[in-house]
Amino acid sequence: SAVISQKPSRDICQRGTSLTIQCQVDSQVTMMFWYRQQPGQSLTLIATANQGSEATYESGFVIDKFPISRPNLTFSTLTVSNMSPEDSSIYLCSVGGQGASGYTFGSGTRLTVV
Amino acid sequence: AQTVTQSQPEMSVQEAETVTLSCTYDTSENNYYLFWYKQPPSRQMILVIRQEAYKQQNATENRFSVNFQKAAKSFSLKISDSQLGDTAMYFCAFPSYNQGGKLIFGQGTELSVKP
Repeated sequence: SAVISQKPSRDICQRGTSLTIQCQVDSQVTMMFWYRQQPGQSLTLIATANQGSEATYESGFVIDKFPISRPNLTFSTLTVSNMSPEDSSIYLCSVGGQGASGYTFGSGTRLTVV
Repeated sequence: AQTVTQSQPEMSVQEAETVTLSCTYDTSENNYYLFWYKQPPSRQMILVIRQEAYKQQNATENRFSVNFQKAAKSFSLKISDSQLGDTAMYFCAFPSYNQGGKLIFGQGTELSVKP
């Protein structure tokens, strides 16, 4: 299964600023998924990123707030824009969907907005 | 709607004993996979076990096994000989191929293994 390197692992940011999270995969993958996990909660899908096309956002998430880049089949970025304390969460990227191989996750980015 | 329900927010078990985590789901898809993921405090999501819905035989992976009841849409996880390292959040999930392959997660069960 694929191996994902996710950076940064954690950050503390001032409100009103932006943070870009990167995920690098060791193999080419068609779809990448970005999740948010609020404290003590389950994972919520933000968007699905396909190479060469705009990301598909879930209800409640908009491109202006969470712009996503997918320049090739091994890399993607998620930006959390104009941050507020409510954006404090763990953000995870994931790849998979090929049947029994399951889904692989990055190690997560713990974001704290102060 | 495709949903996953984990009705046990928290559970605890003594070291070396057995514990079962419950999961029910709802989907209109015929062929699918089911997964249990473990998330320790390090927050890394680790695949524990997977089940193919068209297979009647329950999946096993060392100390981990599932009780898959397709008609009842139930997919419980049994952990035998619990170890301190099993302490984590456990999520039941399945991919929705009708929705681009995204994983549908349950709410999670926080398991504590006590010495």
